[in-house]
Amino acid sequence: DIVMTQSPDSLAVSLGERATINCKSSHSVLYSSNNNNYLGWYQQKPGQPPKLLIYWASTRESGVPDRFSGSGSGTDFTLTISSLQAADVAVYYCQQYYSTPFTFGGGTKVEIK
Amino acid sequence: QVQLVQSGAEVRKPGASIKISCKAFGYTFTTYYTHWVRQAPGQGLEWMGMINPSGGATDFAQKFLGRVTMTRDTSTNTVYMELSSLRSEDTAVYYCAREAYNSSTEDSEGRFDYWGQGTLVTVSA
Repeated sequence: DIVMTQSPDSLAVSLGERATINCKSSHSVLYSSNNNNYLGWYQQKPGQPPKLLIYWASTRESGVPDRFSGSGSGTDFTLTISSLQAADVAVYYCQQYYSTPFTFGGGTKVEIK
Repeated sequence: QVQLVQSGAEVRKPGASIKISCKAFGYTFTTYYTHWVRQAPGQGLEWMGMINPSGGATDFAQKFLGRVTMTRDTSTNTVYMELSSLRSEDTAVYYCAREAYNSSTEDSEGRFDYWGQGTLVTVSA
């Protein structure tokens, strides 16, 4: 199984400041035949299901604000919120869909400082 | 619009079974794989397995082999997940999720683009 490791477990950021979340996979999730990284990012607010934010490591899902961006390739990935808003308080998860079982990182809780 | 609507909360005793439904609306049911993900209280997300609603093929996480069954009813656009021999550690919110599909390439793309609202299963004596 591919193990996904997120850091930090939690972070507190001032409104308008940048938040950065890291995700590392135990195996490359880059599929060489199409040059896609099989890596997604989800946002989960309390009492709600997860919501897809980013796929192919860096493609924003339709309707997701452009303050959210994803980067990285192979085994190391980053989710950046460029200017934190109150609505962004949530837990964020990375997920690899390169191979089953489709594993998730442990989550990063983002709060307002 | 696309919706996945799950059955309601359930309480079971240890050793019992549970069967949760996930009814799909707003898209061609047989085109998109359906996955099940669970989340224990205060914990992260755990992938349980998936079903291809077209032919019924399944793929399960090793942890659940022998205890989980996933089926589908194409006449009602519903996927079912049954978990047996329940124990307290199975107390969780169970989600169904749709895997995205690219109609241009005719390929499933792995990410989960729509989720059900979740079903709380409580296992307690």
